Amino acid sequence: NAGVTQTPKFRVLKTGQSMTLLCAQDMNHEYMYWYRQDPGMGLRLIHYSVGEGTTAKGEVPDGYNVSRLKKQNFLLGLESAAPSQTSVYFCASSYAKGRTGELFFGEGSRLTVL
Amino acid sequence: GEDVEQSLFLSVREGDSSVINCTYTDSSSTYLYWYKQEPGAGLQLLTYIFSNMDMKQDQRLTVLLNKKDKHLSLRIADTQTGDSAIYFCAETPNRDDKIIFGKGTRLHILP
Repeated sequence: NAGVTQTPKFRVLKTGQSMTLLCAQDMNHEYMYWYRQDPGMGLRLIHYSVGEGTTAKGEVPDGYNVSRLKKQNFLLGLESAAPSQTSVYFCASSYAKGRTGELFFGEGSRLTVL
Repeated sequence: GEDVEQSLFLSVREGDSSVINCTYTDSSSTYLYWYKQEPGAGLQLLTYIFSNMDMKQDQRLTVLLNKKDKHLSLRIADTQTGDSAIYFCAETPNRDDKIIFGKGTRLHILP
């Protein structure tokens, strides 16, 4: 049982380049989330999705886009990377509200923008 | 607004008890959580407490909830080196689809 899988795990970009982070979950979860983690800032929610075909903005959505074309996948895109987007990105998924709401996290993707 | 606050660092001697504190703002939260993040890994749910409970115990872990003061604590008895990690407090406001995390408390174990 793979749980939540993120690819790639590491990436170095130059300013202005674009890239996509892929998150896949095999637990049939409705909800999926993208967070970034920076020292002293904790986890900040970028975008989230409450079901296939839906997306919503989180706390820090600027500079990112997302898509949820399939229930099991949630993609995070950076159209024009900036050094401020250097961070560790975590994807998470959960059942719909009404259960305990436990989040299941991937192992993280470390992105460096030069 | 929504905010979960916790201290950033805690140092404890091996074998002692660790107490990590958290305050939250949304009294409508149904569940409150403690997540653990080990180095180089994602977060994992450690334990949670339903908002109508005052206390929950699970082996070495004790969670205390004071709804009046919106205060949550996690006590780890007989702290071991394997407990060294970042611990995140989190809440789920009823009106929201999101889980709100604190900034995390880094627990450092002294020999």
